Amino acid sequence: AQSVAQPEDQVNVAEGNPLTVKCTYSVSGNPYLFWYVQYPNRGLQFLLKYITGDNLVKGSYGFEAEFNKSQTSFHLKKPSALVSDSALYFCAVRDSALTGGGNKLTFGTGTQLKVEL
Amino acid sequence: EADIYQTPRYLVIGTGKKITLECSQTMGHDKMYWYQQDPGMELHLIHYSYGVNSTEKGDLSSESTVSRIRTEHFPLTLESARPSHTSQYLCASSPRDNSGNTIYFGEGSWLTVV
Repeated sequence: AQSVAQPEDQVNVAEGNPLTVKCTYSVSGNPYLFWYVQYPNRGLQFLLKYITGDNLVKGSYGFEAEFNKSQTSFHLKKPSALVSDSALYFCAVRDSALTGGGNKLTFGTGTQLKVEL
Repeated sequence: EADIYQTPRYLVIGTGKKITLECSQTMGHDKMYWYQQDPGMELHLIHYSYGVNSTEKGDLSSESTVSRIRTEHFPLTLESARPSHTSQYLCASSPRDNSGNTIYFGEGSWLTVV
């Protein structure tokens, strides 16, 4: 079975400071990892994904994420946070070993990011 | 921006009414999904489809039904709405052929049953 955990319900950071939103996963095969952002009353917007290759993945709006196989983590990072980054962030995983009906994306419970002046 | 559209965006309806949430995508994606999400909470997959005439139940049991008669269209229907159905419903789609493909979401439909 595949699973993903976001251990923090909320992350608070001051504008201009670096931010990290944590994500860990569990799969039997190789992971396909995704980050999405959701603003209030909106759908989910795709930020970035890791499929293979370079462990550091760069995405939209200055976000990046680092895949760490030994720690089974895929933390989302940004060097300098903006107030407009305040939103709900979801990590998701798909197990490459699963096919057919099992080949679905599993989402974490979400982390609310609050960036303050 | 993903070309996936949901209507209505907001709906307030009385108990016992039948409702259909529309979802259309213009990307030619084979796979389509419906997720249910309470405000600020996690997503639950309730239905998915791998193509025309294919529909499957998701991880969360739902009284809603879906159909996939055309590739681009994946409507969700509640025959008799109840207050417990109040939630946000998110439609999504992705190409079929690769597990690394991204799922793209619509803007969501907020349903309130009174």
